[in-house]
Amino acid sequence: KAGVTQTPRYLIKTRGQQVTLSCSPISGHRSVSWYQQTPGQGLQFLFEYFSETQRNKGNFPGRFSGRQFSNSRSEMNVSTLELGDSALYLCASSLERGSSYEQYFGPGTRLTVT
Amino acid sequence: KNQVEQSPQSLIILEGKNCTLQCNYTVSPFSNLRWYKQDTGRGPVSLTIMTFSENTKSNGRYTATLDADTKQSSLHITASQLSDSASYICVVSERGSTLGRLYFGRGTQLTVWP
Repeated sequence: KAGVTQTPRYLIKTRGQQVTLSCSPISGHRSVSWYQQTPGQGLQFLFEYFSETQRNKGNFPGRFSGRQFSNSRSEMNVSTLELGDSALYLCASSLERGSSYEQYFGPGTRLTVT
Repeated sequence: KNQVEQSPQSLIILEGKNCTLQCNYTVSPFSNLRWYKQDTGRGPVSLTIMTFSENTKSNGRYTATLDADTKQSSLHITASQLSDSASYICVVSERGSTLGRLYFGRGTQLTVWP
């Protein structure tokens, strides 16, 4: 069974631009979560999607948004990029919602904002 | 305030030696605790998951312990190998919570030297 895939793996953008990241969960998994990871803050929860609906959201500004499609694939969008948005963006999928379900992480998208 | 603290922040050991990483948490009510291994530039991979009633769990050379009374966990690595060089992240979830209530430690960066 294929793991979680994320595209692109690396991205360089300039301030003010917008970016869209993609995540394909493990087949059959319905929950997709997004995380931002930086050296200073560690892993921080962005949002969770389940059945095409955002179920939880972390403490990030409205510039960060996402969506989930009927096939459970998810996209994350960041508008008006800032230098501080440079980070590794991780997507994780799980079979169902709930903390008892194992999360499987993708390899991440490394975003650099210049 | 729910928090997860890991120590040490970084650790260097020689190949073949053992080491122990610490995780202290204040998350309540407690549901489960996970240890993840994250190689540089990759997504985290789950090593162990423990619930309230479990006080030890092994995965090959990795052994995790949990003391739910003192809210402490440790990850012991036996006979370290060069491939153990990675960041080890402790994650604690609240009982009855969805994925939005995961609390992440900032990780311990382990370097194994030959």
